[in-house]
Amino acid sequence: DAKTTQPTSMDCAEGRAANLPCNHSTISGNEYVYWYRQIHSQGPQYIIHGLKNNETNEMASLIITEDRKSSTLILPHATLRDTAVYYCIVRVGSPKLVFGKGTKLTVNP
Amino acid sequence: DGGITQSPKYLFRKEGQNVTLSCEQNLNHDAMYWYRQDPGQGLRLIYYSQIVNDFQKGDIAEGYSVSREKKESFPLTVTSAQKNPTAFYLCASSIASGLYSNQPQHFGDGTRLSIL
Repeated sequence: DAKTTQPTSMDCAEGRAANLPCNHSTISGNEYVYWYRQIHSQGPQYIIHGLKNNETNEMASLIITEDRKSSTLILPHATLRDTAVYYCIVRVGSPKLVFGKGTKLTVNP
Repeated sequence: DGGITQSPKYLFRKEGQNVTLSCEQNLNHDAMYWYRQDPGQGLRLIYYSQIVNDFQKGDIAEGYSVSREKKESFPLTVTSAQKNPTAFYLCASSIASGLYSNQPQHFGDGTRLSIL
């Protein structure tokens, strides 16, 4: 599975959009981009995934660049409950999810 | 509500004792997984099962055992052979786990195991 690079930490004001970047420059053509988040002492929560088209669901939007070498997770109106560690993962078919260090997002009141 | 239920939330093991962690899902998912998470670390795959009565070892299967007698259940036993069992154990499930599957895994809330 391709390696991903994310900023260590980010801050966001409550009510504003949170834009979390992820670099995956070695992604292969059939690998999907997944985003999860983990709040302390809880299991990881699946957010969204995509291959090459932008995706949106009730939680977030995923923007993947045309060359697929990077992506951005957008939380449109961040709340305090969105404070968590966010993980960007690229994979296809493997049963194993490989979580890197992730981005610690802090939403401030 | 559909989801994955892990129990107990906290578990204590005495030296030389086997303990079993429960994982039940009502999502009608075929595939189920067990991971271990240590403080400040990522997830490590212990075992996974793509179908009832079949399972495969992950990266750190030694000292653990599983069974998959029912689609909705995938219990994990931490045996006395596991010398460093203190960790956060996470169960997950997905619709499928084929070679080109893109289905996401969904997780339970975990069981925290400690040694007395």
